Amino acid sequence: GQSLEQPSEVTAVEGAIVQINCTYQTSGFYGLSWYQQHDGGAPTFLSYNALDGLEETGRFSSFLSRSDSYGYLLLQELQMKDSASYFCAVLGGSYKLIFGSGTRLLVRP
Amino acid sequence: DVKVTQSSRYLVKRTGEKVFLECVQDMDHENMFWYRQDPGLGLRLIYFSYDVKMKEKGDIPEGYSVSREKKERFSLILESASTNQTSMYLCASSFSAGGSTDTQYFGPGTRLTVL
Repeated sequence: GQSLEQPSEVTAVEGAIVQINCTYQTSGFYGLSWYQQHDGGAPTFLSYNALDGLEETGRFSSFLSRSDSYGYLLLQELQMKDSASYFCAVLGGSYKLIFGSGTRLLVRP
Repeated sequence: DVKVTQSSRYLVKRTGEKVFLECVQDMDHENMFWYRQDPGLGLRLIYFSYDVKMKEKGDIPEGYSVSREKKERFSLILESASTNQTSMYLCASSFSAGGSTDTQYFGPGTRLTVL
């Protein structure tokens, strides 16, 4: 079957660094995406990794290791507005996105 | 900016009713998707479409159908609504299949309650 595993909840303090891990098992793999969703809002795209390594976009970075079927999202200099749910998603066979169940990040003052 | 709109933010229907959820995107995207989102289950793909009049089943198509008569519009139909279809429904669109350009843009969602 196809599955993505990510922690259900993570708590961190403002200004800190947090890493949200994602392991996947899918038939076919083209890349790993991350989406952010605030309560009551729509998911919005954060990053996409097709190749191994680190992609940096401002305070957010995303890492992929295809050999380990593993990736993570790194959030630096956490702000209160970063409190949201974060979903990893694999672009698999048939070019469908398969989403994880999401990690709820709570940033505390 | 890409804009994906959905016909309703909140909808309440009765068991057995036929329900139409409409989605419109304004960026000439090829691909459109319907997901449902339930707590602890993430986003699950119901149906998707790569072109006008084309549709493919996602992971949970049972109880749903779709229609794509125009490129910008993708409709989700619940032929006979049931209580287990109470959920948040999200529509998304993307430019092309595969690669970094496959970023999906989501609408605000429709929270459907079936009584």
